[in-house]
Amino acid sequence: QQPVQSPQAVILREGEDAVINCSSSKALYSVHWYRQKHGEAPIFLMILLKGGEQKGHDKISASFNEKKQQSSLYLTASQLSYSGTYFCGTESTDSGAGSYQLTFGKGTKLSVIP
Amino acid sequence: DGGITQSPKYLFRKEGQNVTLSCEQNLNHDAMYWYRQDPGQGLRLIYYSQIVNDFQKGDIAEGYSVSREKKESFPLTVTSAQKNPTAFYLCASSTGLAWGTDTQYFGPGTRLTVL
Repeated sequence: QQPVQSPQAVILREGEDAVINCSSSKALYSVHWYRQKHGEAPIFLMILLKGGEQKGHDKISASFNEKKQQSSLYLTASQLSYSGTYFCGTESTDSGAGSYQLTFGKGTKLSVIP
Repeated sequence: DGGITQSPKYLFRKEGQNVTLSCEQNLNHDAMYWYRQDPGQGLRLIYYSQIVNDFQKGDIAEGYSVSREKKESFPLTVTSAQKNPTAFYLCASSTGLAWGTDTQYFGPGTRLTVL
């Protein structure tokens, strides 16, 4: 079952912050975050593993709440280059070891304007 | 440079024709994947392969077929049985070594339009 992302779309002015959420009804082993520009390949951002991780680089960070099966992506002081569609991909413990299957959410479209 | 190539970038076919999309990787990855992307739907898994000569159906395999005769190649055939084949198709690969931390690397995609 697809994870649910919210919001579906958000418009920011440069310098503003945003939070994108990803929720699953399944027990998760990991959450992967990707960003995709229109017509291009998704680009990997980060992976979070069960155990309540928090990761970040530059002004993009993420957290994973294993108990709630939720992950949040935080974008601070947004730049024009942050525009794109953000996808979370979840790996469920139901999948079994070695399946490597990711189930992706429908995406959150982020638009950063000057 | 290592990476994943998909060709062609744009493909047009008449209804009822089979069409094969190419995916090649030189990353020495064991696992390869095909996804379909429709507007507002995210990425949906069609087929995946963890090793040469083996592959498994994903969530939307009906109307598609694949082969994995070589480690670096994973072609996808969209058959005439696929009711709505017009979409953006993405190929990905990963090392296949570490469940849960296996990053997937995506190719540039092929946009298929069936007329």
